[in-house]
Amino acid sequence: EAGVAQSPRYKIIEKRQSVAFWCNPISGHATLYWYQQILGQGPKLLIQFQNNGVVDDSQLPKDRFSAERLKGVDSTLKIQPAKLEDSAVYLCASSFGQGGEKLFFGSGTQLSVL
Amino acid sequence: GQQLNQSPQSMFIQEGEDVSMNCTSSSIFNTWLWYKQDPGEGPVLLIALYKAGELTSNGRLTAQFGITRKDSFLNISASIPSDVGIYFCAGRPFTGTALIFGKGTTLSVSS
Repeated sequence: EAGVAQSPRYKIIEKRQSVAFWCNPISGHATLYWYQQILGQGPKLLIQFQNNGVVDDSQLPKDRFSAERLKGVDSTLKIQPAKLEDSAVYLCASSFGQGGEKLFFGSGTQLSVL
Repeated sequence: GQQLNQSPQSMFIQEGEDVSMNCTSSSIFNTWLWYKQDPGEGPVLLIALYKAGELTSNGRLTAQFGITRKDSFLNISASIPSDVGIYFCAGRPFTGTALIFGKGTTLSVSS
């Protein structure tokens, strides 16, 4: 069974530029999550989707971050404009149900904002 | 927001030693999970716990869901070099569905 796919693996941009990350969850997983992991910290939830609807986006900085999951499968996370403090690894995860008991993570996208 | 306090922050041990790490919260959780993260990779699930008092093993790993629902611990027996990595606890609070993660315990094993 294929795991969670993410691209790109690495991205380097200058501050105020925009960037987008893509995620394809495990087939059949209804719930998709985007987490931000700053160096030395644990993952922090940005947004949770159930199919194509948003369940929790309370910690998403909505003035610059946006995410969508239009067809309830793959998802895109965008940052516009990027700030230096956005440098982090962006992890996508999926789970079969909404309970979140077992999240399966992708390898992440490492973003460096210069 | 809710936070998980994970300790120790780092550990340096000899191959063959046993390891213990724990996670505590001021809030109760209905699920505890333990993940391991290798450099450049996403976290990989090690053990999931669903009931207070539950003790679960996965090979050399043993984890327990605390009776108070506010803590969990992970033990690794007879450590080997490939155990090196960052171990994260994660909990699911009753008030939400997404997992909250601790800050991690970095394990180094010397042979």
